[in-house]
This record gives sequence, C-alpha cells and structure tokens, in this order.
Amino acid sequence: GAGVSQSPSNKVTEKGKDVELRCDPISGHTALYWYRQRLGQGLEFLIYFQGNSAPDKSGLPSDRFSAERTGESVSTLTIQRTQQEDSAVYLCASSGGLAGINEQYFGPGTRLTVT
Amino acid sequence: AQSVSQHNHHVILSEAASLELGCNYSYGGTVNLFWYVQYPGQHLQLLLKYFSGDPLVKGIKGFEAEFIKSKFSFNLRKPSVQWSDTAEYFCAVTPGSGGYQKVTFGIGTKLQVIP
Repeated sequence: GAGVSQSPSNKVTEKGKDVELRCDPISGHTALYWYRQRLGQGLEFLIYFQGNSAPDKSGLPSDRFSAERTGESVSTLTIQRTQQEDSAVYLCASSGGLAGINEQYFGPGTRLTVT
Repeated sequence: AQSVSQHNHHVILSEAASLELGCNYSYGGTVNLFWYVQYPGQHLQLLLKYFSGDPLVKGIKGFEAEFIKSKFSFNLRKPSVQWSDTAEYFCAVTPGSGGYQKVTFGIGTKLQVIP
C-alpha cells in the first residue's frame, strides 16, 4: 500500500478484556516498530521486528503484551487482560532498513481506551 | 541508554514570528538525530535528520536544525512561521554506531501559530 495502515482506528474495551491491534507496513519494508503514546507523554518504544523475528522486545511493559509478525507483512500487537493504564495511542512504524539510519514511516495509530 | 529532553511543551506564536524549539539529548558517543512532525489529523512524518557532516541541517518547509555537539543539542528553527506550521514536533536520537539502534523520542512540543 501507499503507507502504513493500522486498524482499528479506535478501540474501547472493558478492563480485563483482550485486544488485538493490527499494523500493515509499507510493502517491502523489512523493519517494523510498535510505540505507545500516553496522553501528555512522548513515544514509548515497545518492540522491533526485522522480518518476522523480534530482536528487541525490551519495551514491552509486561507479559500481558505480545506481538507477532507474518513474514515481512502484517503485525499484530495483543494486550491481554487490559488495564486502564493501557489506554494510549498505539503507533506502528516501518522502515526499509534500520531505524537508526532510515526514516520511519508511521501509521495513523490506534487509540485504545480501557474503561 | 540515551534520553531526549524537549523543554518547551507548548509554544504559541504569531505568524511571521521566528521559531526555535529546544532539544537536548544525553548520550556520550556519536548520535543520529531527527525531528519528526505531526500535523493535526495526520501521521508523524520526518522533518529532517542529522547523521554526519554539516551540523546545520535543512529540512522540508523551511525548517532547519543545528547540531551543537558541545551542548548536546539539536534545536529546530524556522525564521518565519506560518499558520500551517501548527503541529506537534518530536525530537529523536539514536546512537550512531551502526547496526540496529533503538530510536528514543522526546515528549514533543505543541506549536500553535496564531494568524
């Protein structure tokens, strides 16, 4: 596609439910990143994929968070047993190579609200 | 680990005023530096980047940033802002030693330009 897409754009869920967020990167981009942006805060790194492996998962805040990626395509971020503190905008970005060198292209984000 | 500080969280300017947004980072080695911008209703996008060479970097829409190594700073400037520059601006840093490197973002500065 022309850009990074994410779905859903908005998700409201009850505390304790599981949610799945989807990211479709730019075709051909090998690197994919997930970030979280809480209200009034900067972008918080969650996880990095190179292809379908995740060399850096250091930003995942707890074992309730997991992510997977199919080849060099779609990625899903799953949050189990959601808590109110999980409310945030979840951003996905992809790049043609290493983010430290290459521009990251961001999706529109998924706004998650846990009630 | 690297960190980024953006001291101005909300800036209000009149059109034609000059802009300078502060960005300081903490990291002892070589760095790659970025400014990203998010216009209302749009995705985060790259404004400019510095990897090496001329410390004065020019980006899109008349923006520039100067890397001052001795001050660990990468301030963003524009001589005359327009209403269309209203957006949120994020400074980001990554170690410049090559290979995969996590990109660390600042908290962001919201710029409001009054016509």
